[in-house]
Amino acid sequence: AQSVSQHNHHVILSEAASLELGCNYSYGGTVNLFWYVQYPGQHLQLLLKYFSGDPLVKGIKGFEAEFIKSKFSFNLRKPSVQWSDTAEYFCAVNPYNQGGKLIFGQGTELSVKP
Amino acid sequence: EAEVAQSPRYKITEKSQAVAFWCDPISGHATLYWYRQILGQGPELLVQFQDESVVDDSQLPKDRFSAERLKGVDSTLKIQPAELGDSAMYLCASSLSGSSYEQYFGPGTRLTVT
Repeated sequence: AQSVSQHNHHVILSEAASLELGCNYSYGGTVNLFWYVQYPGQHLQLLLKYFSGDPLVKGIKGFEAEFIKSKFSFNLRKPSVQWSDTAEYFCAVNPYNQGGKLIFGQGTELSVKP
Repeated sequence: EAEVAQSPRYKITEKSQAVAFWCDPISGHATLYWYRQILGQGPELLVQFQDESVVDDSQLPKDRFSAERLKGVDSTLKIQPAELGDSAMYLCASSLSGSSYEQYFGPGTRLTVT
């Protein structure tokens, strides 16, 4: 079955620390890849996306992600986190032949200490 | 900025009762999605509409769940009868069309079945 795995359920960092959140998926074909973020009390919003081309994609608020096809991974990174980055982060995969369906990981809760 | 609207935001119902959720997508968005998010997990697609037609309802428990989008604009998701295991956040999302476009999520309806 197709699935998305996020390695960490809860990450706690101090401000200015670097962030990397892991995401792996199980699907052999072409995929579109996404990271969504949910800030406390707000709805899910798109952080960044990969459809094709340069495997290093940049998103909003200084986030970036790298698609490594051979590892079926799409890890999210930020060089220096801020307290305002405290949120839940979801990796999602859209298999190319399945319309717009998104398959989400279970989410990683990020807490940034001021 | 246009947003996806959902109502109600919170719903408490007793087991075996009927419950309905409403979603109004962003104007002009042809594709509408209903997701269910159980606490501690990522969203899971229940049903996808393209205009008024169902594209994917493979994960919709059709014995108790139904969804419609009669005029290809707003949509209703119904559960009858509700079960304790239906307690979850029900999210609506919309996109311009299919997989090539970002999905915009609404605030969700938090359902508690007692």
